[in-house]
Amino acid sequence: DAKTTQPNSMESNEEEPVHLPCNHSTISGTDYIHWYRQLPSQGPEYVIHGLTSNVNNRMASLAIAEDRKSSTLILHRATLRDAAVYYCILREIMYSGGGADGLTFGKGTHLIIQP
Amino acid sequence: GAGVSQTPSNKVTEKGKYVELRCDPISGHTALYWYRQSLGQGPEFLIYFQGTGAADDSGLPNDRFFAVRPEGSVSTLKIQRTERGDSAVYLCASSAPSVDTQYFGPGTRLTVL
Repeated sequence: DAKTTQPNSMESNEEEPVHLPCNHSTISGTDYIHWYRQLPSQGPEYVIHGLTSNVNNRMASLAIAEDRKSSTLILHRATLRDAAVYYCILREIMYSGGGADGLTFGKGTHLIIQP
Repeated sequence: GAGVSQTPSNKVTEKGKYVELRCDPISGHTALYWYRQSLGQGPEFLIYFQGTGAADDSGLPNDRFFAVRPEGSVSTLKIQRTERGDSAVYLCASSAPSVDTQYFGPGTRLTVL
């Protein structure tokens, strides 16, 4: 999997939007952009993924740059429960639609939410 | 429905001992993954099973580490002659056929004294 770069930490206020950036300048045409997050003392959980178009789900939105060399995870109204480490991961999709091998985690962004 | 479960949640052992860590994946998930997470780091991939066979064990650090999944469901990670450097949280994840989303368990915290 190609490498991603994220800020070590970010801080935001409760009930405000949060924009978490990720740079992936060496992304290939078959790489999907995945985001996982890890709450304290828990295993990681899937947040969202996309290829080229912006994506929305109940947890977050994913904005992908036109050249795909960067993306932004958007939490529209952060709550204290969103305090976690957020990981941006590139995954080469297999022809069957599923992935193969393990996820390559970096250090992620530690998101701090102030009440 | 039931998520991925891991037992024990905590394991304390002495240097040189043998340990087994168990993972129960989500029912119907054919792919199973093991990761190791040291303090302050992201999880590190160890091994991936597709069904009963290990499709990729390139992340296992050395031959003291071994994992099995004999019936294509439950998996056991086995560590021989444990060392203090093996202390970490061991995470298991599973995914459904043809879906590249992994569901993680809560992990087993291993402490080697």
